[in-house]
Amino acid sequence: GAGVSQSPRYKVAKRGQDVALRCDPISGHVSLFWYQQALGQGPEFLTYFQNEAQLDKSGLPSDRFFAERPEGSVSTLKIQRTQQEDSAVYLCASSLDTGSQETQYFGPGTRLLVL
Amino acid sequence: DAKTTQPNSMESNEEEPVHLPCNHSTISGTDYIHWYRQLPSQGPEYVIHGLTSNVNNRMASLAIAEDRKSSTLILHRATLRDAAVYYCILRNRGAQKLVFGQGTRLTINP
Repeated sequence: GAGVSQSPRYKVAKRGQDVALRCDPISGHVSLFWYQQALGQGPEFLTYFQNEAQLDKSGLPSDRFFAERPEGSVSTLKIQRTQQEDSAVYLCASSLDTGSQETQYFGPGTRLLVL
Repeated sequence: DAKTTQPNSMESNEEEPVHLPCNHSTISGTDYIHWYRQLPSQGPEYVIHGLTSNVNNRMASLAIAEDRKSSTLILHRATLRDAAVYYCILRNRGAQKLVFGQGTRLTINP
């Protein structure tokens, strides 16, 4: 079946531009996560949704980062006034249910480069 | 979050077994041990997880020390496709997010 998809796969932005990154989770998956992965590092948690409710946004690095999942399916991560330090791969993951040991299925990521 | 320690890199040969170690001396009784791996230019993928007993699945085996302060991921017969960064993660019961460390970069020689 179809896995998690993300678009665009690559994004180049000029410093100060706003960007929107899209995640299509596996159909029927209740939980959705966003992670940020800097070059050479492991992914770092940004935020978590259960259906349309954003239950944890403790990892968002600043108020320039905003995520939404209005209908409990597709999610968008928006970064306003991008800075060079925002350059990273942004990973989306989904899991079927809300059990704490549920497997997370990751998309291929969006590679963001801010010039 | 409890911390894990893994070697930065390991190397093995194709068709040989690989043992990837992970130390987690501050593990709590409700922490599960998860392994994910990340192939080049892909998102991480689930490998295996366990609590106390050793676990086997089609991808790998997980051997957990009796005191739970360390564990080993075992790939029984490595292939070139197994070259990836392997992450050992402690996930508390009730926790949703995954907390990744640096992982171990595994190189497989043909």
